[in-house]
Amino acid sequence: EVQLLESGGGLAQPGGSLRLSCAASGFTFRGYAMSWVRQVLGKGLEWVSGISGSGGGTYYADSVKGRFTISRDNSKNTVSLQMNILRVEDTALYFCAKTRDSNHPGDAFDVWGHGTVVTVSS
Amino acid sequence: QSVLTQPPSASGTPGQRVTISCSGRTSNIGSNTVNWYTHLPGTAPKLLIYSNDQRPSGVPDRFSGSKSGTSASLAIRGLQSEDEGDYYCATWDDSLNAEVFGGGTRLTVL
Repeated sequence: EVQLLESGGGLAQPGGSLRLSCAASGFTFRGYAMSWVRQVLGKGLEWVSGISGSGGGTYYADSVKGRFTISRDNSKNTVSLQMNILRVEDTALYFCAKTRDSNHPGDAFDVWGHGTVVTVSS
Repeated sequence: QSVLTQPPSASGTPGQRVTISCSGRTSNIGSNTVNWYTHLPGTAPKLLIYSNDQRPSGVPDRFSGSKSGTSASLAIRGLQSEDEGDYYCATWDDSLNAEVFGGGTRLTVL
């Protein structure tokens, strides 16, 4: 069964850091681009960042560019999101998502994790 | 404000047909395929339609998608109570070099 399991969420202060991880299983991980998508409570879905299957291509939403870094370890089937200089507006439920059939994060997301909550507050 | 524009709400009675629109521009919908997701708060989003009009395995054929120019739409026929939830369109934006989502449409079955 294809599964994604996020971890690493929690409480951080404004200006602080958190590192999210997503453990994948049930598919050939290196063959698929992966993304992080978030949802602020009561708001819509917002794509945050994506990475190609090889890890050579990384992409970011303008709202996190320069503060967040996405990476992957294909030997461990994990994708991570290092979040620095956190802001109150980064408070959200963060989902890990797998592309359906492509090495590019612009493909449809066919498998999603259940998410991990990030709260940024003083 | 979202790059893709969706109506904030839609509604219908059981058995009816409803459509949800998604409007973009040349750099996103005009140049790339559109995907649709459904999402209930607190759960994982679910892919409904990919590549404009393709249904993943397990999605009923009551759901259909289409695209024309810089707009796309999702149609649901034979509306059922379990179809209630939030619906999002999404696509890649070549100018932003990023995936973009619509603001979401909350569907209510009356």
